[in-house]
Amino acid sequence: GQQVMQIPQYQHVQEGEDFTTYCNSSTTLSNIQWYKQRPGGHPVFLIQLVKSGEVKKQKRLTFQFGEAKKNSSLHITATQTTDVGTYFCAGPKNTDKLIFGTGTRLQVFP
Amino acid sequence: DADVTQTPRNRITKTGKRIMLECSQTKGHDRMYWYRQDPGLGLRLIYYSFDVKDINKGEISDGYSVSRQAQAKFSLSLESAIPNQTALYFCATSGGPGLSYEQYFGPGTRLTVT
Repeated sequence: GQQVMQIPQYQHVQEGEDFTTYCNSSTTLSNIQWYKQRPGGHPVFLIQLVKSGEVKKQKRLTFQFGEAKKNSSLHITATQTTDVGTYFCAGPKNTDKLIFGTGTRLQVFP
Repeated sequence: DADVTQTPRNRITKTGKRIMLECSQTKGHDRMYWYRQDPGLGLRLIYYSFDVKDINKGEISDGYSVSRQAQAKFSLSLESAIPNQTALYFCATSGGPGLSYEQYFGPGTRLTVT
């Protein structure tokens, strides 16, 4: 069945270092969404990408959708302690539900 | 988001007991979802509903049932709880006709089955 994998599973960085998480789907996606879950919290929507090769930025966060629409990445420049949490990508399956990636947990040391 | 609420927030129960988790939303969304979160496994879909008369199974529906009492209410039941149903459960809503719309999650229910 359709799978969405993320790497790495965990990442520890020093504050100020960059961070990237990668999302790979076994099938072509019509769009991809990214969510952030703070420790002890719930997933919160960050962004959606729709077009092949699309790049979107939110302050220090850069999101990219692959040309083949089967992969995506989230890059954080100069991490801060507020970036701590688990980042999930999610892609649609058929027309009615999302398949979430396994998530990348980011820890930032001050 | 306060727009999506879940009760209870924490529950400890014994094997074999029936448990109901409730979700309410004030966002006016038609679509509601129940997910289960386990460490390292991400979010897995249990059931989803697009309106009061529509109920659909997700990836891991065995051992669970749901009820959509109203547009704003979607309940998840464990008929006979077992220890491997210990997990964090999230309710979510979505307003879009397709998957181009983001999902809004409730605060979660942490369920422990002993």
